[in-house]
Amino acid sequence: DGGITQSPKYLFRKEGQNVTLSCEQNLNHDAMYWYRQDPGQGLRLIYYSQIVNDFQKGDIAEGYSVSREKKESFPLTVTSAQKNPTAFYLCASSQRLGQHSPLHFGNGTRLTVT
Amino acid sequence: EDKVVQSPLSLVVHEGDTVTLNCSYEVTNFRSLLWYKQEKKAPTFLFMLTSSGIEKKSGRLSSILDKKELFSILNITATQTGDSAIYLCAETNDYKLSFGAGTTVTVRA
Repeated sequence: DGGITQSPKYLFRKEGQNVTLSCEQNLNHDAMYWYRQDPGQGLRLIYYSQIVNDFQKGDIAEGYSVSREKKESFPLTVTSAQKNPTAFYLCASSQRLGQHSPLHFGNGTRLTVT
Repeated sequence: EDKVVQSPLSLVVHEGDTVTLNCSYEVTNFRSLLWYKQEKKAPTFLFMLTSSGIEKKSGRLSSILDKKELFSILNITATQTGDSAIYLCAETNDYKLSFGAGTTVTVRA
């Protein structure tokens, strides 16, 4: 079955440590996205990628980094510079960037930083 | 900056009730409006609306878009406990989706 796999489901880290969240898709989609979800704030876009080796900052990119070395993979690193990293992180993909192309979401990673 | 506002933020209903969820938007280069349902983890796609006045239906769910007044509504009739979820509205412009905060619907038996 095609889909998006995020791992791990739950992640616990100490403050000051970088952490990388995995996202893999086998849908052959060109575009991939990372969103952060906090209670009462909906989904906010962190980074997105239209194609391999290309990515752009979203609305809240500070303290995060990404790479897109393969079409299937779009890992997100939460760095120690991110002031409030505890959140639910959702990865998504779509056939093409924007326009008439609904997103397919992974099941998310819940990150807790103490 | 593009803005999507959903109302109400939450509501509680009983099985069999009808609910209406609202989504208003302010956006440049509007392309389409989408509705998603999120139960525990991954949001699942419900509807994509691009044209005004054309209702989309799927079972007990329906949605319509008004591009002149810049809003959309999502209706759920004869609600069931399985309809309990966060309903997310999002609009697309040329390159990204912008989401509203969501409406949390709780359906009590």
